[in-house]
Amino acid sequence: AQSVAQPEDQVNVAEGNPLTVKCTYSVSGNPYLFWYVQYPNRGLQFLLKYITGDNLVKGSYGFEAEFNKSQTSFHLKKPSALVSDSALYFCAVRDITGGSYIPTFGRGTSLIVHP
Amino acid sequence: KAGVTQTPRYLIKTRGQQVTLSCSPISGHRSVSWYQQTPGQGLQFLFEYFSETQRNKGNFPGRFSGRQFSNSRSEMNVSTLELGDSALYLCASILEGWNSNTGELFFGEGSRLTVL
Repeated sequence: AQSVAQPEDQVNVAEGNPLTVKCTYSVSGNPYLFWYVQYPNRGLQFLLKYITGDNLVKGSYGFEAEFNKSQTSFHLKKPSALVSDSALYFCAVRDITGGSYIPTFGRGTSLIVHP
Repeated sequence: KAGVTQTPRYLIKTRGQQVTLSCSPISGHRSVSWYQQTPGQGLQFLFEYFSETQRNKGNFPGRFSGRQFSNSRSEMNVSTLELGDSALYLCASILEGWNSNTGELFFGEGSRLTVL
């Protein structure tokens, strides 16, 4: 079975400060990891993914995430937060080697960037 | 290229009624999956269709059903609506087949269902 945990329901950060949104996962095989963002009354938009290779993945809007296999984590980061980054962020995992095609999503973390 | 289109965007129903939601995937995408999003439960997988066949199903009662047409468009139906069915229903499409995919999902804007 695969699972994802986003331990923080909400993250508050001041504009211009670095931000981190945490994600840990559990899979029986090798993980494919994704981050999505959802703005109010909208669908989810893809930000970035880790499939294989370099543990540091760069994505849209200046976001990046670091895959840490030993800690089973895939935290989302941005060096300098913008007010427009305020949204709901979802981490998702797919365990391809375990035979599961459908991704499992975390419960989401609300990011609030204060001016 | 047009994105994933979901209709209607908003709808209000009363308990006991049924509802049909529609999803048109990105052109060329053959897999369509449906998710229910609620504040309390987060994003929950309903079912996935590929080439008109249901390939995966989540843990929802039989009142929730779906289908996919030959043009990859999909519909989901909820019968005998309950108050707890109020949610944002999201459809997502993906290009490749279920067995070889490394890609991300492309989501529609959702259909917000309110059950009174």
